[in-house]
Amino acid sequence: QVQLVESGGGVVQPGRSLRLSCAGSGFTFSGFGMHWVRQAPGKGLEWVAVISTGGRFEFYADSVKGRLTISRDDSKDTVYLQMNSLRVEDTAVYYCAKDVFSGYDSGTLDTWGQGTVVTVSS
Amino acid sequence: IQMTQSPSSLSASIGDTVTITCRASQSISTYLNWYQQKPGTAPRLLVSAASSLQSGVPSRFSGGGSGSDFTLTINNVEPEDFATYYCQHTYSPPPTFGQGTRLEIK
Repeated sequence: QVQLVESGGGVVQPGRSLRLSCAGSGFTFSGFGMHWVRQAPGKGLEWVAVISTGGRFEFYADSVKGRLTISRDDSKDTVYLQMNSLRVEDTAVYYCAKDVFSGYDSGTLDTWGQGTVVTVSS
Repeated sequence: IQMTQSPSSLSASIGDTVTITCRASQSISTYLNWYQQKPGTAPRLLVSAASSLQSGVPSRFSGGGSGSDFTLTINNVEPEDFATYYCQHTYSPPPTFGQGTRLEIK
């Protein structure tokens, strides 16, 4: 079945870096745009970033622009989120999610991973 | 584009009909999705394009609206429906979410 599995979360000090990974299976990974969405403790969902098929296009939320970078390796069916200059307010569960349409980044997310927890604290 | 849901929380009894509303800060046609999230789990896509029910979603769920005003209605609420619901627009990036509506048991 279609599945996404995130990894790489942990506790990190402010200003440090972390890289999250999300491995896909059960679908043609290279054919879909991939997104990251986060959820701070007790808060709602915040869309973070998208990378299109082939990595041709990236888009970021203003809150993370210049600090977080999304990338993908289709040979490994994996999408990444490189997180630099981390802030306390980046503390959240980070979900990767698959776009519902093949070849078109609609923003509609039909499959989600289980999430990985990032805690930024001194 | 800002998305505003109302109410923020809602109490209902089993068998009730409930409606959650979502308003966009500008017209978004029908580029509107609804997700359900239960505690400790990832969100689940319920409705896309304002009114298209996803495969496997019970028919007691329905979505409607266009332009800037949208609704998610649950007819005959069942115990497994108690969760938090989020709307999301996909009109243009970034595809922002509403703040969520928590449906609680009365």
